[in-house]
Amino acid sequence: SQTIHQWPATLVQPVGSPLSLECTVEGTSNPNLYWYRQAAGRGLQLLFYSIGIDQISSEVPQNLSASRPQDRQFILSSKKLLLSDSGFYLCAGTGTGGNEQFFGPGTRLTVL
Amino acid sequence: GQQLNQSPQSMFIQEGEDVSMNCTSSSIFNTWLWYKQDPGEGPVLLIALYKAGELTSNGRLTAQFGITRKDSFLNISASIPSDVGIYFCAGQLVGGGSNYKLTFGKGTLLTVNP
Repeated sequence: SQTIHQWPATLVQPVGSPLSLECTVEGTSNPNLYWYRQAAGRGLQLLFYSIGIDQISSEVPQNLSASRPQDRQFILSSKKLLLSDSGFYLCAGTGTGGNEQFFGPGTRLTVL
Repeated sequence: GQQLNQSPQSMFIQEGEDVSMNCTSSSIFNTWLWYKQDPGEGPVLLIALYKAGELTSNGRLTAQFGITRKDSFLNISASIPSDVGIYFCAGQLVGGGSNYKLTFGKGTLLTVNP
């Protein structure tokens, strides 16, 4: 079965500092990968998705970027964090042959 | 973008009661998914539906893919305290370049009083 790993679990960063969140996938090959942000109050906002290595689609203009250097690795980055980047970041991936997305445990980011 | 209207936004029920929540859209979906999210964790897939009219159960959970392909419901029978959490519906739109993306509802927050 597929497993999504995310780290770190929590992160507190000052405004203007860089960011790197990592997501890795086990149990499947060539997954579609996704980064979501969930602000307090529940909704899931799709930030980026990737259908293959170095193939990134951005859903919303923002202060963040994503990269996929390996098939099962998806990285979310920022050069300079803003207060508004605070939130719960979720990585998700699809298994073989389906539309079902499986989520990682999330990273709680607080920008001070 | 496309939206799913999920209702109710929140529910407060007594342990043992049955629960029903639903999602509707003006667009047609070819997949409906239901997730549950516990506080501080990632959503977990509960039920996946792929055919119009499909009715699927997972323990005390039952979900249906609406015959019009524009709606879905989730029922929880005989609720227990661990059912507490946020329930999300999600769907994949037909066509329009949406093959890789899901559209999520805003969630139903369920509270179960013991």
